[in-house]
Amino acid sequence: RKEVEQDPGPFNVPEGATVAFNCTYSNSASQSFFWYRQDCRKEPKLLMSVYSSGNEDGRFTAQLNRASQYISLLIRDSKLSDSATYLCVVKNQGSYIPTFGRGTSLIVHP
Amino acid sequence: GAVVSQHPSWVICKSGTSVKIECRSLDFQATTMFWYRQFPKQSLMLMATSNEGSKATYEQGVEKDKFLINHASLTLSTLTVTSAHPEDSSFYICSALPGLAGAEQETQYFGPGTRLLVL
Repeated sequence: RKEVEQDPGPFNVPEGATVAFNCTYSNSASQSFFWYRQDCRKEPKLLMSVYSSGNEDGRFTAQLNRASQYISLLIRDSKLSDSATYLCVVKNQGSYIPTFGRGTSLIVHP
Repeated sequence: GAVVSQHPSWVICKSGTSVKIECRSLDFQATTMFWYRQFPKQSLMLMATSNEGSKATYEQGVEKDKFLINHASLTLSTLTVTSAHPEDSSFYICSALPGLAGAEQETQYFGPGTRLLVL
């Protein structure tokens, strides 16, 4: 089983839709969680960290479920510019080396 | 925010030549830098962790003699792909961690990547 797993998609949604992605991790010692966004032919950029209590940044909401070992990203009121690949990143306790998921592709169409 | 640059942004070379890629942290010191490789439609794969002043730590399956890493200063790490072959064609991305080695820094900053095409 891969350490970090994501549904590669693509998720095809119309503008204005709400879409959610999940990411599962296998190591229960995982301590830090992040969502990155990667546009085609570009480097990944930090979208948001994921906190235990869940956190929101504008249209984006991240949740952590330690019991089931997954994190989620919810995007409300999707924009065309949200089209990208969303990477789940996990770091284990005591390590500064992150593990990347394969990414979930989102396509928002008019 | 912190800025990391990579040079060159793309390179095309003949099979058998060596290619050097530079990764620089422009406004912070980075004791630790990472080198990743990404093939189309695949995840970033960590190749090695580069620590300033010491030997790089390579991930399993990555040949250290083929991918030479030098982290000679707190702002510069280089990756040299020696005797490149077409299968080495990929998107190479570096990232840098501000602060002290071993610290669990929350954020790594990525360079813009280097596209390598080996003919």
